[in-house]
Amino acid sequence: LAKTTQPISMDSYEGQEVNITCSHNNIATNDYITWYQQFPSQGPRFIIQGYKTKVTNEVASLFIPADRKSSTLSLPRVSLSDTAVYYCLVGEDTGFQKLVFGTGTRLLVSP
Amino acid sequence: DVKVTQSSRYLVKRTGEKVFLECVQDMDHENMFWYRQDPGLGLRLIYFSYDVKMKEKGDIPEGYSVSREKKERFSLILESASTNQTSMYLCASSLRRRSGEKLFFGSGTQLSVL
Repeated sequence: LAKTTQPISMDSYEGQEVNITCSHNNIATNDYITWYQQFPSQGPRFIIQGYKTKVTNEVASLFIPADRKSSTLSLPRVSLSDTAVYYCLVGEDTGFQKLVFGTGTRLLVSP
Repeated sequence: DVKVTQSSRYLVKRTGEKVFLECVQDMDHENMFWYRQDPGLGLRLIYFSYDVKMKEKGDIPEGYSVSREKKERFSLILESASTNQTSMYLCASSLRRRSGEKLFFGSGTQLSVL
């Protein structure tokens, strides 16, 4: 199962762009890279997913280099409400889905 | 929108009690999961199920069992609750059995075992 490594915490200010990098050196050919966001007292929710290159949606962008051994979640112009824990997951297609969450990155956005 | 409902938001039980945590999803998802979340440890997978009456152990199944008699319902059972099972329990579901399938989570049950 691919293991991911993320920074434990990051600090930012409102209006800044935040980039959170995740390392997944053992990613397999069939694996997708998925990011989740979790607010206090809530379950995680899906943000974005990609396989290679760049993916963008209304919330974030995901950059994946050619070797796919890392990925970067980019949050443009963060606000206070983006304060949350962000998890990077790499799925293993074993015929049934088993997703393992790490400890995530705690992002604190200040005024 | 997919809705994953966990029966209790907060639960207080005594050591040795049998505890049932219920989870229901309303979108005909094949896969269902139980995680527990503890400070500093992130989310850890307890059990998951990819079909009715099917179950697979996750990373920390000891002290837990599960039941999936109907597709929409996945129950987590603590046969004899212990204090080290005090935790936030999160249920999730996903549509199909493939890599990268999106997970939908419930709001969680904060269980305290005294």
